Amino acid sequence: GENVEQHPSTLSVQEGDSAVIKCTYSDSASNYFPWYKQELGKRPQLIIDIRSNVGEKKDQRIAVTLNKTAKHFSLHITETQPEDSAVYFCAASYSGAGSYQLTFGKGTKLSVIP
Amino acid sequence: DTEVTQTPKHLVMGMTNKKSLKCEQHMGHRAMYWYKQKAKKPPELMFVYSYEKLSINESVPSRFSPECPNSSLLNLHLHALQPEDSALYLCASSLEDGTGELFFGEGSRLTVL
Repeated sequence: GENVEQHPSTLSVQEGDSAVIKCTYSDSASNYFPWYKQELGKRPQLIIDIRSNVGEKKDQRIAVTLNKTAKHFSLHITETQPEDSAVYFCAASYSGAGSYQLTFGKGTKLSVIP
Repeated sequence: DTEVTQTPKHLVMGMTNKKSLKCEQHMGHRAMYWYKQKAKKPPELMFVYSYEKLSINESVPSRFSPECPNSSLLNLHLHALQPEDSALYLCASSLEDGTGELFFGEGSRLTVL
């Protein structure tokens, strides 16, 4: 089955700095890579996702890059703000009818210091 | 309506009790999921329903019994639970099994005494 490794497990940055979280996956058949943000006591919420036919995707201060050859993908947050403080989970799956199983990384606790 | 609604938000039960968790979505999604999340851990898949049929059961103990009465509702029946079953139980839905974004509910926080 799929295995997703996520680093670092904790990350502290000053407000305004950038944050980068990295994930690697094992199954070359995986083709869908979402990132979820979970604030304390809240539900996980999708913040950005990327499919294997795309190398990079950007949404305002958030970007994700994917290197299929190396089987790794990264989340980049620029101009961090205190409200970015949360646990971030990367995930990988093979997205096809009847085969959807999302494998999560262990999570990164991001703290943005004002 | 882009919400997945779960009830109750909190549940405390003894090991001999029978209780149920409920989940509802009105987004027309045809895949619904139960996840279990322990503190400081990622969500762990328990069950997947696709078009109201159980398609994935991740070797979950029989003291957890899922039910999908219709395409909008998902239940998780609980019986003879153990203290280690205490966790946040998250319901989620997606457009179809195998595609796109998972929408999570706020979860039901379960404590087993």
